[in-house]
Amino acid sequence: DIQMTQSPSSLSASVGDRVTIPCRASEDISSYLNWYQQKPGKAPELLIFAASSLQSGVPSRFSGSGSGTDFTLTISSLQPEDFATYYCQQSYNAPWTFGQGTKVEIK
Amino acid sequence: QITLKESGPTLVKPTQTLTLTCTFSGFSLTTTGVGVGWIRQPPGKALEWLALIYWDDDKRYIPSLRSRLTITKDTSRNQVVLTMTNMDPVDTATYYCAHRPFDSSGHLRFDPWGQGTLVTVSS
Repeated sequence: DIQMTQSPSSLSASVGDRVTIPCRASEDISSYLNWYQQKPGKAPELLIFAASSLQSGVPSRFSGSGSGTDFTLTISSLQPEDFATYYCQQSYNAPWTFGQGTKVEIK
Repeated sequence: QITLKESGPTLVKPTQTLTLTCTFSGFSLTTTGVGVGWIRQPPGKALEWLALIYWDDDKRYIPSLRSRLTITKDTSRNQVVLTMTNMDPVDTATYYCAHRPFDSSGHLRFDPWGQGTLVTVSS
């Protein structure tokens, strides 16, 4: 199975900050990487697919980059509604595995 | 608009079989490339993909639970059913179903997700 590593598990930031969230795959997954946002008590929502494609309806302050084993989700200017947990997921092959998540908290 | 909703028991006893139903609208499971997946999340923990069924009845399972899982579809009723046998307290989790849209480049993604249903395994 491909292991997805997200570190740190949490980070603190302020409204307006530029935030970067890393994700590493245990092997080369090309651009087969998705990002989801999950708010407490809610289902995850797709933000980015194929490493850098913005899902329809997602604000443009979200962007994704990377290929191979190292990926990054960037929030250009953190908004109050962005405080949530972010998961990466590899879609290279089954079983389609998720990272452990990075929780973005208010500083 | 695509919507999905999970239904099933909220409490099951150890060793029992769990049956969850995902009822969806806004798409058809007869459309080429489309699928429905199940993902679970233990309280306070990360997401774990469990199973996926495609429009052509192809099925994929997480290897670690393969012997306990069965996924089926009923296209006439727009439903996908997941059964998990021999339930254990460690299977306590919120279970989600999610739409797998067609992607010409083959990139799998889950969008959207159902609201989830919390299943507790306890005697």
